[in-house]
Amino acid sequence: QVTLKESGPMLVKPTETLTLTCTVSGFSLTNARMGVSWIRQPPGKALEWLANIFANDDNSYSTSLRNRLTVSKDTSKSQVVLTMTNLDPADTATYFCARIQNWGPYNWLDPWGQGTLVTVSS
Amino acid sequence: SYYLTQPPSMSVSPGQTASITCSGDNLDDEYVCWYRQEPGQSPVLVIFQDIKRPSGIPERISGSKSGNTATLTISGAQAVDEADYYCQAWGVTTVFFGGGTKLTVL
Repeated sequence: QVTLKESGPMLVKPTETLTLTCTVSGFSLTNARMGVSWIRQPPGKALEWLANIFANDDNSYSTSLRNRLTVSKDTSKSQVVLTMTNLDPADTATYFCARIQNWGPYNWLDPWGQGTLVTVSS
Repeated sequence: SYYLTQPPSMSVSPGQTASITCSGDNLDDEYVCWYRQEPGQSPVLVIFQDIKRPSGIPERISGSKSGNTATLTISGAQAVDEADYYCQAWGVTTVFFGGGTKLTVL
């Protein structure tokens, strides 16, 4: 069974750096046909893609948040880490990680983690 | 910027068909996925590669695409179909989500 679980602080102060960890099981982060994506959802709003990382360490970032995001992985721990700098109350959201499945030109996100709510407030 | 446009809300009567659209300027060159999200839950994949269903998704849920518009069709709508639905497209290096459609079955 494939599972992903997000972990990290529930409350962060403005201007601080957020570090979130996605721990995966049931698949390997070295699998060339798989990767991990980070997505967030502010309360009552739509999904917003943040970043991807693949087995070969190729990564990509949201254009609007590129300067604040870093994604990395530790295959030995089956973990993917997302850091976001200079937090603002507008970054308050539920943060999800999801497995990327790839087949040729096709990608899809399945399954998703349960999500973790991060509140940015002083 | 590249945007995917969905109707914010839609309602359907039980047993009827709901068609949720997703429009984007580059959609004819991209592959579309659809996700269902129930309140307080994580999104669940219901369609990938424009038209394919993951195992466990009923046949009454289908996807299609024509030009720059993708459509998620739910036939024989049931109360369990009431949820938010998001389309998603994959760019060369980025991912785009639509704004979501809240489907009400009443």
